[in-house]
Amino acid sequence: QSALTQPRSVSGSPGQSVTISCTGTSSDVGGYNYVSWYQHHPGKAPKLMIYDVTKRPSGVPDRFSGSKSGKTASLTISGLQAEDEADYYCFSYAGSYIFGVFGGGTKLTVL
Amino acid sequence: QVQLQESGPGLVKPSQTLSLTCTVSGGSISSGSYYWSWIRQPAGKGLEWIGRIYTSGSTNYNPSLKSRVTISADTSKNQFSLKLISVTAADTAVYYCARVDPVLFGSNWYFDLWGRGTLVTVSS
Repeated sequence: QSALTQPRSVSGSPGQSVTISCTGTSSDVGGYNYVSWYQHHPGKAPKLMIYDVTKRPSGVPDRFSGSKSGKTASLTISGLQAEDEADYYCFSYAGSYIFGVFGGGTKLTVL
Repeated sequence: QVQLQESGPGLVKPSQTLSLTCTVSGGSISSGSYYWSWIRQPAGKGLEWIGRIYTSGSTNYNPSLKSRVTISADTSKNQFSLKLISVTAADTAVYYCARVDPVLFGSNWYFDLWGRGTLVTVSS
């Protein structure tokens, strides 16, 4: 099972918005609304930022939002802050055989 | 506050068995309805889900690794473990343990708590 496709890097200035895409297939992203996003600062534990495509866990700022269209899910971060600089990974349920697949990761740089 | 901590050898020889343990503190792995997972990240690559064990003891594995992986739990020590046999250099990665709380999130597939990871290098 191939990893979901994410851009290797994105960047933005403080206060701006950036969107990270996550493209899969009809067997994963396109077939289920079980997409999640994780923020990972190197050396630290990854953090769940979005689940069920659009929902935010308690404590995650509303600057983070998720969406999905067809086989592509997206994470949008508005009002960029320096602390948002991190790696971001998407994950999708992929059925009862494959179970689940991650994206390759996107490095967000805050300029 | 529940925390997860991975531990195990940082260096494993090719063809041998990689063994890691995840110690859960601040809560019991045998209470509630949780899935306890292993996930890895080879250097310069993305994350890969390895497998998981449910509170009941049932397991699920990534089909690509299923023939080599065993995940088990020791409730007396509040730990769960990963064994990966016949390792090669391709198994060199940072290994993470993580929790899924299906009651809180309504799905069996959201990793709401992670350890910081431990690097395992496969080399002679």
